[in-house]
Amino acid sequence: QVQLVQSGAEVKKPGASVKVSCKASSYTFTSYGISWVRQAPGQGLEWMGWISAYNGNTNYAQKLQGRVTMTTDTSTSTAYMELRSLSSDDTAVYYCARTNRLRWNWFDPWGQGTLVTVSS
Amino acid sequence: QSALTQPASVSGSPGQSITISCTGTSSDVGGNNYVSWYQQHPGKAPKLMIYDVSNRPSGVSTRFSGSKSGNTASLTISGLQAEDEANYYCSSYTTSSSVFGGGTKLTVL
Repeated sequence: QVQLVQSGAEVKKPGASVKVSCKASSYTFTSYGISWVRQAPGQGLEWMGWISAYNGNTNYAQKLQGRVTMTTDTSTSTAYMELRSLSSDDTAVYYCARTNRLRWNWFDPWGQGTLVTVSS
Repeated sequence: QSALTQPASVSGSPGQSITISCTGTSSDVGGNNYVSWYQQHPGKAPKLMIYDVSNRPSGVSTRFSGSKSGNTASLTISGLQAEDEANYYCSSYTTSSSVFGGGTKLTVL
């Protein structure tokens, strides 16, 4: 079945960067996109951005512009999300999700989530 | 982009039907047919239940249905079951981003 497996939990200090990976299996990676969504403790879902594994196009949430970079490695069917200049507000579970290759209109399935804790 | 508006909580008894609303603007919910709904149990990843307003992915129960009128989308769950107790989130595509609702906690009494 279609599956996304994410890298493990991270603990970072304020000002550092984190890079989360998301390995896809059981579907043609380049026929879809990957969106990243985060969820702060006890809070709702926040869309971070999208990358098309089809053509490499990206679209980032305005509030994260300049701090986030999303990439893909089509040779390994893996997507990456790097977030820089971390603060305590970035403490959250980060999810990757398969999405439409041309637009970010649905998310299915989701990875298991990666907890990123930012603490001094 | 402001979050979509959902009721914080809804409840119903087993066998009953409930509806969760999701209100946005003409820039998101009212501006296209790309509304989706997600179910999230505590400690688990979200699961797609409805996409493009009213389409059900393969494997999702027919008890779940979606609709939209103007700037408000709705998720209806019929024949409530204990396993439906979860948080539900709506989401809408916009040309620049995707926006989520604040979430609705469904309690099955």
